[in-house]
Amino acid sequence: ETGVTQSPTHLIKTRGQQVTLRCSSQSGHNTVSWYQQALGQGPQFIFQYYREEENGRGNFPPRFSGLQFPNYSSELNVNALELDDSALYLCATDTMTSSTDTQYFGPGTRLTVL
Amino acid sequence: EDQVTQSPEALRLQEGESSSLNCSYTVSGLRGLFWYRQDPGKGPEFLFTLYSAGEEKEKERLKATLTKKESFLHITAPKPEDSATYLCAVQALSGGATNKLIFGTGTLLAVQP
Repeated sequence: ETGVTQSPTHLIKTRGQQVTLRCSSQSGHNTVSWYQQALGQGPQFIFQYYREEENGRGNFPPRFSGLQFPNYSSELNVNALELDDSALYLCATDTMTSSTDTQYFGPGTRLTVL
Repeated sequence: EDQVTQSPEALRLQEGESSSLNCSYTVSGLRGLFWYRQDPGKGPEFLFTLYSAGEEKEKERLKATLTKKESFLHITAPKPEDSATYLCAVQALSGGATNKLIFGTGTLLAVQP
């Protein structure tokens, strides 16, 4: 058990809608990263939050946004959903005590956009 | 551009038949190389971290090794429960303030009884 939970497990939305995905980690894990994994591909980095501030972003448009809260939970928001947003969304957390901390992943949220 | 390539894409083994998975990487500077196991529809499960060439780590039937250009995941006498997708990822110095992971596309391993 990694201590990282995600909700919901599955979600079905239609094109143009907005979605919020949630992640919760254990105490002390003050860094959260979000990844998108399309079918048959490796996870792609979306962005990372450290102590409630975004400290890095991958190649994703601004309609992907996030928040991190003091209680070690975080959110990924996606606006104006497109068909290509269908994927497994993963959050990963670590303590950021060193630059090569291990990231522990949650079980993911499967998003389907129709 | 930092990049990770895994081969083969898929591998089918008989139970007890040992083999190796390859992960080659191109990065501006390597902070660490990670191996994860992923079961269908689930999140990646951490296996190993390697930091420098020559380093080796073992866990049960798995052994990971690292050179300056690639890493191998050796599977000795695999069992059907070892069937999964194995993902390789690197953390690069170009990541700046983040410790983001750059993943390969994975190797889908199937072990038949």
